[in-house]
Amino acid sequence: AQSVAQPEDQVKVAEGNPLTVKCTYSVSGNPYLFWYVQYPNRGLQFLLKYITGDNLVKGSYGFEAEFNKSQTSFHLKKPSALVSDSALYFCAVREVENTGFQKLVFGTGTRLLVSP
Amino acid sequence: DGGITQSPKYLFRKEGQNVTLSCEQNLNHDAMYWYRQDPGQGLRLIYYSQIVNDFQKGDIAEGYSVSREKKESFPLTVTSAQKNPTAFYLCASSIGPYSGRSGEQYFGPGTRLTVT
Repeated sequence: AQSVAQPEDQVKVAEGNPLTVKCTYSVSGNPYLFWYVQYPNRGLQFLLKYITGDNLVKGSYGFEAEFNKSQTSFHLKKPSALVSDSALYFCAVREVENTGFQKLVFGTGTRLLVSP
Repeated sequence: DGGITQSPKYLFRKEGQNVTLSCEQNLNHDAMYWYRQDPGQGLRLIYYSQIVNDFQKGDIAEGYSVSREKKESFPLTVTSAQKNPTAFYLCASSIGPYSGRSGEQYFGPGTRLTVT
């Protein structure tokens, strides 16, 4: 089964500093990887995805993610954090069942706190 | 959250009562999903549906039931058999469930269910 791990429950950064939210994956075959963000009492919003191609993927709100096959990682990054980036971030991997049906397997989430 | 609506946003029920959560999408997506979110546990898949009149159990289906009579609608019933129903419930959809699509899902705003 495919899985992702988010090793940090919480990440704290100061506004204006770069941020990194970590994700590692375990898959058979080529991974399809995703990042989502969740603000309090809201649904998840899609940020970006890696399917194939460039290892650096750019997404919404100035976020980007770096795919590293040798380290089986897909870390989310932003050069300069904003207080409004404070939220819960989820990494996910696509899993394809024997029927061909595909679903997402989510990590446990990382809470990002950006201080003024 | 655009394109997927969930109602109500907050729901309170007495223990022993069944309750139905609504999920509607106007994205013309084939696949729909229900997740449960608890603090520190990420998202867990309850049920999913690939097409109308078809649905499959996810990882934690016990105590829940669904129907998919229309493409746009995928209601979830939390029955009295669900031992810990208090949680945040998220509905999602995706363009097509089968391989060949990248698999990203789009989420509704969620329903917070409290059972006392």
